[in-house]
Amino acid sequence: DTAVSQTPKYLVTQMGNDKSIKCEQNLGHDTMYWYKQDSKKFLKIMFSYNNKELIINETVPNRFSPKSPDKAHLNLHINSLELGDSAVYFCASSQDRQVGGQYFGPGTRLTVT
Amino acid sequence: GDSVTQMEGPVTLSEEAFLTINCTYTATGYPSLFWYVQYPGEGLQLLLKATKADDKGSNKGFEATYRKETTSFHLEKGSVQVSDSAVYFCALRDSSYKLIFGSGTRLLVRP
Repeated sequence: DTAVSQTPKYLVTQMGNDKSIKCEQNLGHDTMYWYKQDSKKFLKIMFSYNNKELIINETVPNRFSPKSPDKAHLNLHINSLELGDSAVYFCASSQDRQVGGQYFGPGTRLTVT
Repeated sequence: GDSVTQMEGPVTLSEEAFLTINCTYTATGYPSLFWYVQYPGEGLQLLLKATKADDKGSNKGFEATYRKETTSFHLEKGSVQVSDSAVYFCALRDSSYKLIFGSGTRLLVRP
């Protein structure tokens, strides 16, 4: 059983399109995250939700909007995609935000052409 | 703000060699420290962690000790295997509970 799953694994789309990436965790964790990893492997947090409440919102263009329908799911919607959005996006979860480590999904490689 | 600095890679070793990957941090307070590993085409996996000064995290033969006096958390392994080839990330959890990652160090182990 996959602990943190993401769909799709690969996403190729054109500039200006709107796309979504879905994330689900079956660990019973309260906190979920979205990270962006650029071509140089640098990882940066984008958002975090705790029990469906947004608790971390980094300096990210407002074209990016996270949505958490329940505490097991955190989706990422991106409007008006740009070339610079090309990256690998990772979802992660943790039992809570204070203790323990984070469990990462396999990533979604987004390519904007 | 808080930050993590890792040695630049790639680090290339022969099988059974000793591994050290340096990591230093800058933070207010006493953050928890982590090492994550990313195998090709996969997500990050938590390798080990330490939550306070002098704690030693260990897993799968890897070790790292939280050194407050040198603000370091170096990763070591006594004898690396080809299967250890991956990218290793040092990270800290800051006072607002965000993970701050280093830039990653690629390890290549040759048979």
